Amino acid sequence: ILNVEQSPQSLHVQEGDSTNFTCSFPSSNFYALHWYRWETAKSPEALFVMTLNGDEKKKGRISATLNTKEGYSYLYIKGSQPEDSATYLCAFGGTSYGKLTFGQGTILTVHP
Amino acid sequence: DAGVIQSPRHEVTEMGQEVTLRCKPISGHDYLFWYRQTMMRGLELLIYFNNNVPIDDSGMPEDRFSAKMPNASFSTLKIQPSEPRDSAVYFCASSSGEQQETQYFGPGTRLLVL
Repeated sequence: ILNVEQSPQSLHVQEGDSTNFTCSFPSSNFYALHWYRWETAKSPEALFVMTLNGDEKKKGRISATLNTKEGYSYLYIKGSQPEDSATYLCAFGGTSYGKLTFGQGTILTVHP
Repeated sequence: DAGVIQSPRHEVTEMGQEVTLRCKPISGHDYLFWYRQTMMRGLELLIYFNNNVPIDDSGMPEDRFSAKMPNASFSTLKIQPSEPRDSAVYFCASSSGEQQETQYFGPGTRLLVL
């Protein structure tokens, strides 16, 4: 069973704060690390797919880094807004065949 | 493109009844995935198909669950007989390639078995 851990489980921040959370995954047999954003009552929406050690991706105020040697990825949100409130999921791809193992997610709440 | 389409969006049934969930992937996508989301276990992969062929069904909980993909634009997940512990949100997702490609999720089917 693959262990994909996300921390913290939940996070409350004030509007304007910057925040970050962690995804840890097995460092062997790595193919890809995905980040998804999941709003309540909607379906998960892709943010990033990262494949190379040292990768950094950015989309607006959200960015992510990847360390495949030590098995972790960070997701950063700069200047959080209430609309950033969602569950952020990471998913580890350990084969080339499309199978992903998801973490339990970090629930972010941004208070106005 | 309309995205991944799932039906029904909500299903309430009684224990012992057969339940069929349906999915239409994004046109041109070779991979189709069925996931189940519960509070206890999070989002877990049940089965996935490549070019309509089941590749890995190790996540299917038991023989009561079966999935088919008769063609590139349609897949079903069937539960027979259903049990209360099957209550969950079932997502279908599709992607155009292998590991490096984004999976696009459908809206999910919320299943309640009484």
